[in-house]
Amino acid sequence: KQEVTQIPAALSVPEGENLVLNCSFTDSAIYNLQWFRQDPGKGLTSLLLIQSSQREQTSGRLNASLDKSSGRSTLYIAASQPGDSATYLCAVLSQGGSEKLVFGKGMKLTVNP
Amino acid sequence: NAGVTQTPKFQVLKTGQSMTLQCAQDMNHNSMYWYRQDPGMGLRLIYYSASEGTTDKGEVPNGYNVSRLNKREFSLRLESAAPSQTSVYFCASRRWSDTQYFGPGTRLTVL
Repeated sequence: KQEVTQIPAALSVPEGENLVLNCSFTDSAIYNLQWFRQDPGKGLTSLLLIQSSQREQTSGRLNASLDKSSGRSTLYIAASQPGDSATYLCAVLSQGGSEKLVFGKGMKLTVNP
Repeated sequence: NAGVTQTPKFQVLKTGQSMTLQCAQDMNHNSMYWYRQDPGMGLRLIYYSASEGTTDKGEVPNGYNVSRLNKREFSLRLESAAPSQTSVYFCASRRWSDTQYFGPGTRLTVL
């Protein structure tokens, strides 16, 4: 059974820092991995999708990497801003016919001005 | 494109009442999902539909029923609401192994 872990559960940093958010998963047989952002009281917004054949994806100040063999992904946020404060979740889509994303519990990020 | 829409946004029920949460997507996606999100528990899958005409149980299906009315619409029904069903409910949709999109959520309180 696929399990996704995000550690730590919360992080508070000063503005301007470069950040690395971690995600680990137990079964390396995945189709893809997706990073989401959730603002308080809102739904989830997709940030980046990495297919299993890819090593990384970039969007603006965000860069996500995938190491399938070690069961790890990192989300790198450059030059963090207070507007980056949110909860970040990763989710994997496993192979084997499952239609279901498996989510981590998320990491709450606070960027202080 | 509106993406994934959900109604209502907020609802308060008394124990034993029934209600249906509505979800629609306009992206021609095959798969649709219902999740609940509770503090400390993360997102938990209630039911999903891999294609029109099919539905399957997720992690926490007890107390819920679903209907995939057509390719666009996927509804979630609570037949007899219980306080344990107080939660935020999210609908989502996806096309094959592409990006999954979420609706804005329904905040449900059962008294």
